[in-house]
Amino acid sequence: KAGVTQTPRYLIKTRGQQVTLSCSPISGHRSVSWYQQTPGQGLQFLFEYFSETQRNKGNFPGRFSGRQFSNSRSEMNVSTLELGDSALYLCASSMNTEAFFGQGTRLTVV
Amino acid sequence: ELKVEQNPLFLSMQEGKNYTIYCNYSTTSDRLYWYRQDPGKSLESLFVLLSNGAVKQEGRLMASLDTKARLSTLHITAAVHDLSATYFCAGDSGGSNYKLTFGKGTLLTVNP
Repeated sequence: KAGVTQTPRYLIKTRGQQVTLSCSPISGHRSVSWYQQTPGQGLQFLFEYFSETQRNKGNFPGRFSGRQFSNSRSEMNVSTLELGDSALYLCASSMNTEAFFGQGTRLTVV
Repeated sequence: ELKVEQNPLFLSMQEGKNYTIYCNYSTTSDRLYWYRQDPGKSLESLFVLLSNGAVKQEGRLMASLDTKARLSTLHITAAVHDLSATYFCAGDSGGSNYKLTFGKGTLLTVNP
């Protein structure tokens, strides 16, 4: 069965630009959550969506937003990019007790 | 707010030896996860522990959960080089929501 698919895998953006990342969960999974991984801060929760509704939000500024579509695919958007937004962004697809992660999108802000 | 602490953060061991990684968490966590991450890669799910006394084993790795002590352990038996990776534990405040709080990770290096 197909795993969690994140696109694109790599991105290079300039400060001040915005970016949209996509996550397609495992078929049948309705919960999608997003995490930011950096060497300094480790893995930090961004937000979780279930049936197109945001259920949880982490401690990130409003520049970070997300949404989920009726087919459970999710996107996250970061506006007005800063150098500190450079990170590996991971999404997780969950059902019952399991949480499976995609390959991630590595964002570099220059 | 759930906090998760792992130790040690760095672990260098010889092949064939045994060792344990510890994961303490601060408040009730309904689920305790262990993940493995290879350099530049994503998180690979190893174990999900759901109840007090839960023990799961896969190959040379065994995970356990003590909810009263708020402690989970990942025990490595007779380490081999292929186990070299970063291991994360994560807690989840539970219910139907999925909001994982991760430890800082343990970088395990197994030397021949």
